[in-house]
Amino acid sequence: GAVVSQHPSWVICKSGTSVKIECRSLDFQATTMFWYRQFPKQSLMLMATSNEGSKATYEQGVEKDKFLINHASLTLSTLTVTSAHPEDSSFYICSARDLGRNNNQPQHFGDGTRLSIL
Amino acid sequence: GENVEQHPSTLSVQEGDSAVIKCTYSDSASNYFPWYKQELGKGPQLIIDIRSNVGEKKDQRIAVTLNKTAKHFSLHITETQPEDSAVYFCAASMRNAGNMLTFGGGTRLMVKP
Repeated sequence: GAVVSQHPSWVICKSGTSVKIECRSLDFQATTMFWYRQFPKQSLMLMATSNEGSKATYEQGVEKDKFLINHASLTLSTLTVTSAHPEDSSFYICSARDLGRNNNQPQHFGDGTRLSIL
Repeated sequence: GENVEQHPSTLSVQEGDSAVIKCTYSDSASNYFPWYKQELGKGPQLIIDIRSNVGEKKDQRIAVTLNKTAKHFSLHITETQPEDSAVYFCAASMRNAGNMLTFGGGTRLMVKP
């Protein structure tokens, strides 16, 4: 149980393109999902917390107009990188927690999306 | 905010030996400490976690210890195998397991056959 699916796993696109990444909780409902960014050989850095039915909470230094987050249902959150540039190339990972049982369940991660902007 | 330091950044052991990774945290309000294993090109996978009301937890070859007074926790892997080779991250969270995680810098573990 507690499977988080992320799509696509890998995307290459031209500079200026907008890219949408999907994060789905397959066997549980997630009112909260998290989006992370990971550069090579570095740790995970939280970008934003996505709350179902409300606006996302962005970490300091993350441009909300650049990284659009939508959490329209209890099983799906999307991250759109708008007008992507080479410096946006990174590994983007989402996580979600199952609130179906209690308020103390761990976060489960997707397998990430490798974004390469040419 | 919370700050998590992790050491060492790289660790090389011989197959069958034990591996220990240590983390310290800064915020005494943190009460949940998970460990994740990340293989190349994959997302982190939870391998074990511990809450502040216990000092030690074990799951087969993996154990975690927590010292709340000193604000540090450690991951112990015994009888290491080549498939244990990966990057391991510790993390800390406040109030409950679903809240924001602050990650350590990661440890690249290499188990030599």
